[in-house]
Amino acid sequence: EVQLLESGGGLVQPGGSLRLSCAASGFTFTNYVMSWVRQAPGKGLQWVSAISGSGGTTYYADSVKGRFTISRDNSKNTLYMQMNSLRAEDTALYYCAKETVAEGGADSFDYWGQGTLVTVSS
Amino acid sequence: DIQMTQSPSTLSASVGDRVTITCRASQSISSWLAWYQQKPGKAPKLLIDKASSLQSGVPSRFSGSASGTEFTLTISSLQPDDFATYYCQQYSSYWTFGQGTKVEIK
Repeated sequence: EVQLLESGGGLVQPGGSLRLSCAASGFTFTNYVMSWVRQAPGKGLQWVSAISGSGGTTYYADSVKGRFTISRDNSKNTLYMQMNSLRAEDTALYYCAKETVAEGGADSFDYWGQGTLVTVSS
Repeated sequence: DIQMTQSPSTLSASVGDRVTITCRASQSISSWLAWYQQKPGKAPKLLIDKASSLQSGVPSRFSGSASGTEFTLTISSLQPDDFATYYCQQYSSYWTFGQGTKVEIK
């Protein structure tokens, strides 16, 4: 059974940093592109970042480029998101999501975690 | 960047109604479009990808279609479990979601 479990969210002041983690199980982690998707309170879904199975290629939304860094440790089946220079507008529930097809290029997301809440406020 | 325009933002319907949600891409995305269902407090659930391919376990009352850059999600006979918010997503170039359509009880 595929499971994605996010952690690391919390309350942080503007300008602060946070590292999110997503522990994956139930599939061959290294074969899949993984993404982070966020949802501000009461708002829609926004794709944030993605990383190839090997970790060698990363993708970012313009709104987080230069501030967030996605990475993965395939030996630990874990996805990360280092979030720096946080802003109030980064407040959201952050989901990790697995692509549907193994290394098939950009794809839909067939499994999602339950999310971890990041609140940026003074 | 590819923009996805989803309509309507809210839809009021009754059990048994036929419901249609539309998503328009700002440029060609071929059939690289997915539909998700999200219920309050839950993660999104993939319903359809490649514009019309129903995921395993999803009821057949859900269907997707495409015409050029316009995509449609249809629920043939709305059931109580279907009241939720629906999102389209393009994955032709990076990933972009539509704004969402909340299907509420009339």
